[in-house]
Amino acid sequence: KAGVTQTPRYLIKTRGQQVTLSCSPISGHRSVSWYQQTPGQGLQFLFEYFSETQRNKGNFPGRFSGRQFSNSRSEMNVSTLELGDSALYLCASSVDADSYNEQFFGPGTRLTVL
Amino acid sequence: SQQGEEDPQALSIQEGENATMNCSYKTSINNLQWYRQNSGRGLVHLILIRSNEREKHSGRLRVTLDTSKKSSSLLITASRAADTASYFCAINAGGTSYGKLTFGQGTILTVHP
Repeated sequence: KAGVTQTPRYLIKTRGQQVTLSCSPISGHRSVSWYQQTPGQGLQFLFEYFSETQRNKGNFPGRFSGRQFSNSRSEMNVSTLELGDSALYLCASSVDADSYNEQFFGPGTRLTVL
Repeated sequence: SQQGEEDPQALSIQEGENATMNCSYKTSINNLQWYRQNSGRGLVHLILIRSNEREKHSGRLRVTLDTSKKSSSLLITASRAADTASYFCAINAGGTSYGKLTFGQGTILTVHP
């Protein structure tokens, strides 16, 4: 099975712009979670989707949003970019709603905001 | 805020030695997962241990969990230069946490050839 894929791998934007990141989970996986990784804050949970529904959300401003499609693919959007949004954005998928399952991560999207 | 606290923050050893990393947490958990990350790339899943388990093995990896002490450890035996990476523990609290993982700050492991 192919692993979790994320596109694009690298992105450079300027302050005030918006960006959309995409995540394709492992085939058959229905839960997708998003994380932000920065040197200062480490790995922080953004949100989690299952069957097109957001089930959990981290402590991020409303500029960060996401959605999941019927094929389980997910996108996250960041509007009005700030310098502090520069980070590695990781998505992870797991097979179903059971929190006992492993989460498998994609390679990440490296976002740089200038 | 990070619920998991990892110890040590950095570990430097020679090839062939064992490496032990510790993770402590504050709340009850559903499971605890260990990940490896090489140079800012994606996270590689190593082991998941459930709250009712005490020890799990996978190849050269051994994970223990002590829920009474709210701590876990990852042991890498006979380490190799290729094991050089950052290692993270991640906690799933279960219940309405669903897929949310809370990560520690990680341990940077350097294995010298």
